[in-house]
Amino acid sequence: QQQVKQSPQSLIVQKGGISIINCAYENTAFDYFPWYQQFPGKGPALLIAIRPDVSEKKEGRFTISFNKSAKQFSLHIMDSQPGDSATYFCAGGNQGGSEKLVFGKGTKLTVNP
Amino acid sequence: DTGVSQDPRHKITKRGQNVTFRCDPISEHNRLYWYRQTLGQGPEFLTYFQNEAQLEKSRLLSDRFSAERPKGSFSTLEIQRTEQGDSAMYLCASSPKFTGSYGYTFGSGTRLTVV
Repeated sequence: QQQVKQSPQSLIVQKGGISIINCAYENTAFDYFPWYQQFPGKGPALLIAIRPDVSEKKEGRFTISFNKSAKQFSLHIMDSQPGDSATYFCAGGNQGGSEKLVFGKGTKLTVNP
Repeated sequence: DTGVSQDPRHKITKRGQNVTFRCDPISEHNRLYWYRQTLGQGPEFLTYFQNEAQLEKSRLLSDRFSAERPKGSFSTLEIQRTEQGDSAMYLCASSPKFTGSYGYTFGSGTRLTVV
């Protein structure tokens, strides 16, 4: 019920390409879905987030696509850059409760120059 | 304000010893969270404070773990009788009252190694 499943586990993309990371959730009580970016030795940093009342949110080169009926959402990174190389985590949460987040296992993205 | 601060950054301890970590949240953030992250995994929720009140604890937080947030400012996480399975990164996050998890700011974590 609480799981968030994330794929792929790792991803290699050429500079300028599109990186796509997918997540699926089980808990229908989740009402917001953030993506976090984590560099080695650092804590996760909020990248972009979406609520289930919209199907897409775009911020710069980052876009979240959300499919409520399929309980799936994805992160698209356009024009991927070597500086985007990091581990990305999707998560689900319920702002009506404790607001704890349930994270996916992460995707290690490598963008080759 | 420089963000969420955690101390120490690294801790190596022998099995059976007690350890304590400190987290200083962003000022004005009244919500504080502790998460644990093991290698190759996403962060897992441990516990949550609103001001000084500990409002939720995960089943992951065994009796050997205790967290406090006196006066609703900094927080400490203590692990008693450490075990090798406690080796992980311990992350602290804070958020303002009405933003909740949508506006989490994580610290850089304390990496614990139990030998």
